[in-house]
Amino acid sequence: KNQVEQSPQSLIILEGKNCTLQCNYTVSPFSNLRWYKQDTGRGPVSLTIMTFSENTKSNGRYTATLDADTKQSSLHITASQLSDSASYICVVSALDLGAGSYQLTFGKGTKLSVIP
Amino acid sequence: DSGVTQTPKHLITATGQRVTLRCSPRSGDLSVYWYQQSLDQGLQFLIQYYNGEERAKGNILERFSAQQFPDLHSELNLSSLELGDSALYFCASSVGGSEPTYEQYFGPGTRLTVT
Repeated sequence: KNQVEQSPQSLIILEGKNCTLQCNYTVSPFSNLRWYKQDTGRGPVSLTIMTFSENTKSNGRYTATLDADTKQSSLHITASQLSDSASYICVVSALDLGAGSYQLTFGKGTKLSVIP
Repeated sequence: DSGVTQTPKHLITATGQRVTLRCSPRSGDLSVYWYQQSLDQGLQFLIQYYNGEERAKGNILERFSAQQFPDLHSELNLSSLELGDSALYFCASSVGGSEPTYEQYFGPGTRLTVT
């Protein structure tokens, strides 16, 4: 069964500090991995999409890494801001050969709180 | 603002009832996806339509159904509602239907409360 596990479940950091969120997956066959930011009560917003051949991808202060061998990804946030407070969701896409379509498996997210 | 619109924003109804959620994709997007997010749960993919045709199916209950109309807007129908159906329902859209790296843009969601 395809699964995506994220850690930690929640994290509190001081404004200006860096942090790293983890994502482990058992999805197969892997197609791509995405990180989303979701503010409370709002729809997710895409931060990065990485395919099998990409190890690192940045979007401003957000840097995602992917190790397809160990099936791990991380999202590093640099110089955190109060507006970074949100849930960060890891999503892995796999090809469903039987259905002939791509299926997304979502992690439960890491809730990040940035405090002054 | 993602460009994806969903109505209504909030919906309160009783068990056993039927409701319809509506989604209008971004201009130019052909795919619409529906997701359910229960309290403290991750997003669950329900179903995808591409240019009017069902493209992929996730964990959608038989009591739920969806369709995409010729103008590309989509409706998600939930029937015989149960308390456990209370959740945020998100719609997302993308340009393509099967290319896995297409960006998905999410709407603001409809919060359904079943009492």
